[in-house]
Amino acid sequence: DVKVTQSSRYLVKRTGEKVFLECVQDMDHENMFWYRQDPGLGLRLIYFSYDVKMKEKGDIPEGYSVSREKKERFSLILESASTNQTSMYLCASRRTGGEYEQYFGPGTRLTVT
Amino acid sequence: AQSVTQLDSHVSVSEGTPVLLRCNYSSSYSPSLFWYVQHPNKGLQLLLKYTSAATLVKGINGFEAEFKKSETSFHLTKPSAHMSDAAEYFCVVSVAGGYNKLIFGAGTRLAVHP
Repeated sequence: DVKVTQSSRYLVKRTGEKVFLECVQDMDHENMFWYRQDPGLGLRLIYFSYDVKMKEKGDIPEGYSVSREKKERFSLILESASTNQTSMYLCASRRTGGEYEQYFGPGTRLTVT
Repeated sequence: AQSVTQLDSHVSVSEGTPVLLRCNYSSSYSPSLFWYVQHPNKGLQLLLKYTSAATLVKGINGFEAEFKKSETSFHLTKPSAHMSDAAEYFCVVSVAGGYNKLIFGAGTRLAVHP
């Protein structure tokens, strides 16, 4: 079974703090993704990575950065957290190829106060 | 450009009655399409996928979807709803040549009443 794990299920941070969200997958997938999920908006892609040290901006990259130093690990960084970044964050991984589905982690619910 | 529209934000059915969750897509080529389900406080789970083989796709838990190119639709159905089907459902299209990006619909929340 593919497993995608995220470092925290719930996180509370203060405005201005630097926040790290970690994601690890165990299936040697080339591609990894970070989404945020907000009610009524579905999932919106923040960043993705198609290889180690490679990254591409998604639809809403502002205020975020990412790091992929190892194939199995993909980190999302909020340089200076703001209240509008309060959301559910979902990580996913996928094998290269249009027919392959993404496998999701359980999500991290981040609250910025 | 590819896009996905889920036509209903909320659907409510009685237990034992059929479920229909509607999805239209826009794509300039033959797409790969998926349905995912998210139960409360859980991650997303794949229900089924269409990848240009049979147009009627069967998934887990008795769900199925039919790809209709002429209608650009990929509606999700189940003959008889169960209480455990209450969840949010996402219709998803794969982007061609875009590093395997997926485009998600806004989601349909399914409520099942006794």
